[in-house]
Amino acid sequence: EPEVTQTPSHQVTQMGQEVILRCVPISNHLYFYWYRQILGQKVEFLVSFYNNEISEKSEIFDDQFSVERPDGSNFTLKIRSTKLEDSAMYFCASTGTGYEKLFFGSGTQLSVL
Amino acid sequence: DAKTTQPPSMDCAEGRAANLPCNHSTISGNEYVYWYRQIHSQGPQYIIHGLKNNETNEMASLIITEDRKSSTLILPHATLRDTAVYYCIVRANTGNQFYFGTGTSLTVIP
Repeated sequence: EPEVTQTPSHQVTQMGQEVILRCVPISNHLYFYWYRQILGQKVEFLVSFYNNEISEKSEIFDDQFSVERPDGSNFTLKIRSTKLEDSAMYFCASTGTGYEKLFFGSGTQLSVL
Repeated sequence: DAKTTQPPSMDCAEGRAANLPCNHSTISGNEYVYWYRQIHSQGPQYIIHGLKNNETNEMASLIITEDRKSSTLILPHATLRDTAVYYCIVRANTGNQFYFGTGTSLTVIP
């Protein structure tokens, strides 16, 4: 079965630094998502992206966050100035038409020190 | 926000059927019921989804009540590898995203 690929699997950064989390969605998918999960808490929606623009975002997705699809294969989440509370597992997901199930990647564990 | 209610935890004996309930009393006519599971901190894994008819695939069965206000996910022969958090999600197939609740933590006991 096709997979959503996320890199790196674990990233450690200092508070205030910028980080970019990378995702390669399934090749023919058109809708892309980022979710996060703080340790011990539920999976939270951050943002959805379609047709090269944000289609929906949550309150968590403030000005410190941005997403980009720089080429035909990658989908990135950038955090400009990381805070301790950004430490979480970040999941990328994609779907083909928006009417189908979401496929999730295995996640990037972000640790902000 | 999540529009479903699930018990926080359940146990099931290995080899027995695991029946995981979900209440979604405010479900709309165009909303599907999806089930995902998450093993440890891995990415959520799709299990099954349905609109109003019962559904079955190689992983599980989904039973939706006639009024669609509740559903049950059935794992017919639970194994230790089925120990996970199971999420019931309602979503309209209009491209909007999934809202995850707190799910049910299923423990399969040897």
